[in-house]
Amino acid sequence: DIQMTQSPSSLSASVGDRVTITCRASQGIGNDLSWYQQKPGKAPKRLIYAASSLQSGVPSRFSGSGSGTEFTLTISSLQPEDFATYYCLQHNSDPWTFGQGTKVEIK
Amino acid sequence: QITLKESGLTLVEPTQTLTLTCTFSGFSLSTTRVSVGWIRQPPGKALEWLALIYWDDDKRYIPSLKSRLTITKDTSKNQVVLTLTNMDPVDTATYFCAHSLITSGGTLHAFDVWGQGTMVIVSS
Repeated sequence: DIQMTQSPSSLSASVGDRVTITCRASQGIGNDLSWYQQKPGKAPKRLIYAASSLQSGVPSRFSGSGSGTEFTLTISSLQPEDFATYYCLQHNSDPWTFGQGTKVEIK
Repeated sequence: QITLKESGLTLVEPTQTLTLTCTFSGFSLSTTRVSVGWIRQPPGKALEWLALIYWDDDKRYIPSLKSRLTITKDTSKNQVVLTLTNMDPVDTATYFCAHSLITSGGTLHAFDVWGQGTMVIVSS
């Protein structure tokens, strides 16, 4: 199985901050990676697909980059509605695997 | 517009079999390159991919649960059913189903639309 190591597990940030979350794959996965945002009690919402493509309707402050084994989700200017938990998902090979999540909290 | 909704028993006793149904609209599982998957999330923990069924009835399972899991589809009813045998309290979780699609260009849109989830508690 491909292991996805996500870091940090949590972070505290202020509105307007630039936030970066990283996922590292245990082996190369090309660009077969998606990012999701999950708020408490809700289903995850896809933000990024194919490592760097923005899901339609998602604000442009969200961006994804990377390929191979290292991937990054960046929020350029954190907004109040962005406080949530973020997950990466690799779908390069079975079983698909999620990162352990990054909880973004208010500073 | 694609929608999915999970249904099934919310309280299951240990050793029983869990049966969950994902009823969807806005797409057909007989359409080439479409798939539906199941994901679960124990309280306060991370998401875990469980199983996936493709339009051509190809099925994939998480190895750690493969002996206990079965995924099937009923194209005429627009439903995907997941069964998990020999339930244990550690299987207590919210279970989600989600849609995926491979475009003609080969891009996999993994879990682009999710159901709301259904909480399953395993307890005697």
